[in-house]
Amino acid sequence: NAGVTQTPKFQVLKTGQSMTLQCAQDMNHNSMYWYRQDPGMGLRLIYYSASEGTTDKGEVPNGYNVSRLNKREFSLRLESAAPSQTSVYFCASSEWDNEQFFGPGTRLTVL
Amino acid sequence: GESVGLHLPTLSVQEGDNSIINCAYSNSASDYFIWYKQESGKGPQFIIDIRSNMDKRQGQRVTVLLNKTVKHLSLQIAATQPGDSAVYFCAEKGYGGSQGNLIFGKGTKLSVKP
Repeated sequence: NAGVTQTPKFQVLKTGQSMTLQCAQDMNHNSMYWYRQDPGMGLRLIYYSASEGTTDKGEVPNGYNVSRLNKREFSLRLESAAPSQTSVYFCASSEWDNEQFFGPGTRLTVL
Repeated sequence: GESVGLHLPTLSVQEGDNSIINCAYSNSASDYFIWYKQESGKGPQFIIDIRSNMDKRQGQRVTVLLNKTVKHLSLQIAATQPGDSAVYFCAEKGYGGSQGNLIFGKGTKLSVKP
């Protein structure tokens, strides 16, 4: 099992550009999450999907959209990237409210 | 609102010694707590969890203690090894909160001296 995979691993964008971060899990988990991690800070929840077909806002949803494509995949979209969105993005999955398993992260720089 | 914080941002220990990493939480209704380890350039890795109906839980070389009276959580690592060097995060999930609404602390960096 690969666990949680994320693509791309690195990305540089210019202000105003758009992009989609991809996440997939092969553990048959119902719940999936997107976090961002900034230097010196813990992870902050952007959006989550408790089950296929549902999505909800987390702590810092502004500037982002998500799509739960199917049970395996949960994507995060930046419609118009801003320098404040420079961060490391982590996707995670869990079986309902048990421990979350994290992907390796996407390092995004917005110039 | 909820807050999860750590008493010490950095901790340096000698190889072979025991490590104790502390965490305070503010929501007395939180019912689930997790410790994660994050190595440089990697995603957080689950270490151990504990539910609010327990005071102590042990894993391999790790023990989590929960003191609900003072809203304090600690992670004890026995016989600390160089491979334990990482940033450790505690996280809590509030009772009745949205599923997946984990609140993370800022992390403690553990350095193990050989």
